Amino acid sequence: AQKITQTQPGMFVQEKEAVTLDCTYDTSDPSYGLFWYKQPSSGEMIFLIYQGSYDQQNATEGRYSLNFQKARKSANLVISASQLGDSAMYFCAMIQGARGGKLIFGQGTELSVKP
Amino acid sequence: DAMVIQNPRYQVTQFGKPVTLSCSQTLNHNVMYWYQQKSSQAPKLLFHYYDKDFNNEADTPDNFQSRRPNTSFCFLDIRSPGLGDAAMYLCATSRPQIQGYNEQFFGPGTRLTVL
Repeated sequence: AQKITQTQPGMFVQEKEAVTLDCTYDTSDPSYGLFWYKQPSSGEMIFLIYQGSYDQQNATEGRYSLNFQKARKSANLVISASQLGDSAMYFCAMIQGARGGKLIFGQGTELSVKP
Repeated sequence: DAMVIQNPRYQVTQFGKPVTLSCSQTLNHNVMYWYQQKSSQAPKLLFHYYDKDFNNEADTPDNFQSRRPNTSFCFLDIRSPGLGDAAMYLCATSRPQIQGYNEQFFGPGTRLTVL
């Protein structure tokens, strides 16, 4: 069965510093996608970054980068130059399956950025 | 701006009183999803539509039903809400993947309270 594990329930980071949020996954399917979403207290899930299992390069989107280590089955999110607005819950998710696919979420990491 | 809209944002219902949550999208995406997110938990997929094809998750209670009258709209019906159904309900859409996987775009959610 597919599974996503986020072992950090809460993290603190100083404003302007970088922070890494951990994510490991388990699947026997060679084809899958990995996503990170941000969920502020308002509740909306905001897409941040995507990594495909066959992608050769690590994904980057502005201040977000994904440290993808396929052999270790990890897909850690790196946020550079943290901002106060980055304070939120962060979910790692895996998708598999054709015709729409199903997102399986980790338990999330609550990030607090300190001024 | 193209978006996913959910109404209402907050819904209060009484134990056992049927309730309908609505979702609309201007993205013209083929796939629409309903997720349930209980407090301090990860979102959990209830069901999704690929065009008109309905896909129910095996562990989704019969109390939950869905309708998709056209591409733009999707409804979640809870026939007899129990106290355990109090949660945030998130609607999401995506394009079907041609290569790799596409991100899901989420609406702001409907927070359901059951009295």
